[in-house]
Amino acid sequence: GAGVSQSPRYKVAKRGQDVALRCDPISGHVSLFWYQQALGQGPEFLTYFQNEAQLDKSGLPSDRFFAERPEGSVSTLKIQRTQQEDSAVYLCASSLSIGGLGNTIYFGEGSWLTVV
Amino acid sequence: DQQVKQNSPSLSVQEGRISILNCDYTNSMFDYFLWYKKYPAEGPTFLISISSIKDKNEDGRFTVFLNKSAKHLSLHIVPSQPGDSAVYFCAALSAGNEKLTFGTGTRLTIIP
Repeated sequence: GAGVSQSPRYKVAKRGQDVALRCDPISGHVSLFWYQQALGQGPEFLTYFQNEAQLDKSGLPSDRFFAERPEGSVSTLKIQRTQQEDSAVYLCASSLSIGGLGNTIYFGEGSWLTVV
Repeated sequence: DQQVKQNSPSLSVQEGRISILNCDYTNSMFDYFLWYKKYPAEGPTFLISISSIKDKNEDGRFTVFLNKSAKHLSLHIVPSQPGDSAVYFCAALSAGNEKLTFGTGTRLTIIP
């Protein structure tokens, strides 16, 4: 489809395992965001890319979290040595413009990560 | 430190009546506010927004009110319809900052 696509939709990882979550933004969208949504909470900002440049990673909770967008389109969020507190829905969002308002941000359906 | 707060985790409203969802914020640097709607297993979708230079914005059945002095905004849905049953998130932006700050959400249930 034409929306933001995320994979896998569901992932169960054993504690200590590394995981990689993929985001395909809407074609041509310059801005890409990752958010983490824990159960019963609102989404919390993790990191922001403008094309391939990671301009803000202030929300990444620890150095176990790493995100990249090497060619300015597809992005991967990697979590190393997963812990139970990493269990959450990871939402990717993209926006056509730079500095756009939130009404131009489109979210994917999320990747549900459960760490056991 | 929760900068955007939605103090009602859930709300039930009769179909046809008005639904009022509330949101409070603490950061005076926020100057743009949004409401997102989220169905289960889907990502949030934009519903309506308001700039801090306004106190009201209306779009069909949806109206958002902003009280800057009280750092409070509300979303009114009238008349409420069964398809409005979802989780509603309030979110805020500050000028020059790309990241949205979300509240914890209010689950709205419309009773037929």
